[in-house]
Amino acid sequence: NAGVTQTPKFQVLKTGQSMTLQCAQDMNHNSMYWYRQDPGMGLRLIYYSASEGTTDKGEVPNGYNVSRLNKREFSLRLESAAPSQTSVYFCASSEPDRGTTGELFFGEGSRLTVL
Amino acid sequence: GEDVEQSLFLSVREGDSSVINCTYTDSSSTYLYWYKQEPGAGLQLLTYIFSNMDMKQDQRLTVLLNKKDKHLSLRIADTQTGDSAIYFCAEIGGYSSASKIIFGSGTRLSIRP
Repeated sequence: NAGVTQTPKFQVLKTGQSMTLQCAQDMNHNSMYWYRQDPGMGLRLIYYSASEGTTDKGEVPNGYNVSRLNKREFSLRLESAAPSQTSVYFCASSEPDRGTTGELFFGEGSRLTVL
Repeated sequence: GEDVEQSLFLSVREGDSSVINCTYTDSSSTYLYWYKQEPGAGLQLLTYIFSNMDMKQDQRLTVLLNKKDKHLSLRIADTQTGDSAIYFCAEIGGYSSASKIIFGSGTRLSIRP
């Protein structure tokens, strides 16, 4: 009964390094999302994928890329990390993307620190 | 763009009622949500209300919606230490993609003995 699984849970990077956050869901959901959470700012959408094979920018996409590898997996890549990307990152999924209550199912988060 | 606002902190005594408030700007809101985030965990949907409802009750939780004032509240009766968490108000307008869900900044609820 895993739901949404994110790896890694913690990561420290130096400015300019790259890394990929992995996300997988086992609920057969079509839609997946990446958010970042910063103190006092709530959740902001980075990218989302309404269905396998599609990705779209959210509110704060700059500095990030995503890949919807298959229906289960949606990864977030930081090509050249900056201190402003220090945050907690959450992956979420929903089914379907529209036309229902819109409930999002979240992973436990990945805490990233960029020095 | 649309906005959702809520106060950042609330402290209540164990056994008292907690009331967390939220205001929003989207006049076309269809669903309004309360998500709960426990320490070190992701957000989990606590409850939601459809925009044509004024109130929804679920055990210790009562959600009140005032559409005229665009005000949403969550009341937790008999607050327990396990209710310590951050509570996020969120809304979506029309029948949009879930990518359009707008979250507030979260209210951290702390419980005093």
